[in-house]
Amino acid sequence: RKEVEQDPGPFNVPEGATVAFNCTYSNSASQSFFWYRQDCRKEPKLLMSVYSSGNEDGRFTAQLNRASQYISLLIRDSKLSDSATYLCVVTPGSARQLTFGSGTQLTVLP
Amino acid sequence: NAGVTQTPKFQVLKTGQSMTLQCAQDMNHNSMYWYRQDPGMGLRLIYYSASEGTTDKGEVPNGYNVSRLNKREFSLRLESAAPSQTSVYFCATETGALYNEQFFGPGTRLTVL
Repeated sequence: RKEVEQDPGPFNVPEGATVAFNCTYSNSASQSFFWYRQDCRKEPKLLMSVYSSGNEDGRFTAQLNRASQYISLLIRDSKLSDSATYLCVVTPGSARQLTFGSGTQLTVLP
Repeated sequence: NAGVTQTPKFQVLKTGQSMTLQCAQDMNHNSMYWYRQDPGMGLRLIYYSASEGTTDKGEVPNGYNVSRLNKREFSLRLESAAPSQTSVYFCATETGALYNEQFFGPGTRLTVL
């Protein structure tokens, strides 16, 4: 079983739609959680950290469920510019290294 | 500020050739990382350096060596390239803060024939 698993998609949604991605992780001792965004042929960039209480940044909402070991990302009112691959990232245990999911591809259609 | 820079951007090697990938940062971060990214595999950690003078193996270190030349620079060397090392290589640095965000360079696309 992979340490971090994501549905690879692709998710194709119309502009203005709401779309949600889920991610599961296997190490119950994981400490830190993130969503990164990666545009085609570019480097990953931090989209948002995921806090235990859940957090929101504009149109983006991240949730963490430690009991079920999953993380979610909700994007409301999708824009064309949201088209990218979204990477779920976990810091396992006390180690500082990041473990990346393989990503979920999103295409927002006009 | 350039952030994290990598050279070269593209490289084609023949099996058995050697090369060094360079990474430099001007963010004054202590920790630096080398990842490879393959289709459907996500990013996998090759080596990392928690601070100047230290290096440690990651998930996939075989076939690679690293040098933390100083606080700014962290290089990755392929001594004898193999087709299985065809990949996109990313260097990253870390803030060291509680929620250890990593900042990535633009990547090096390597093809080994």
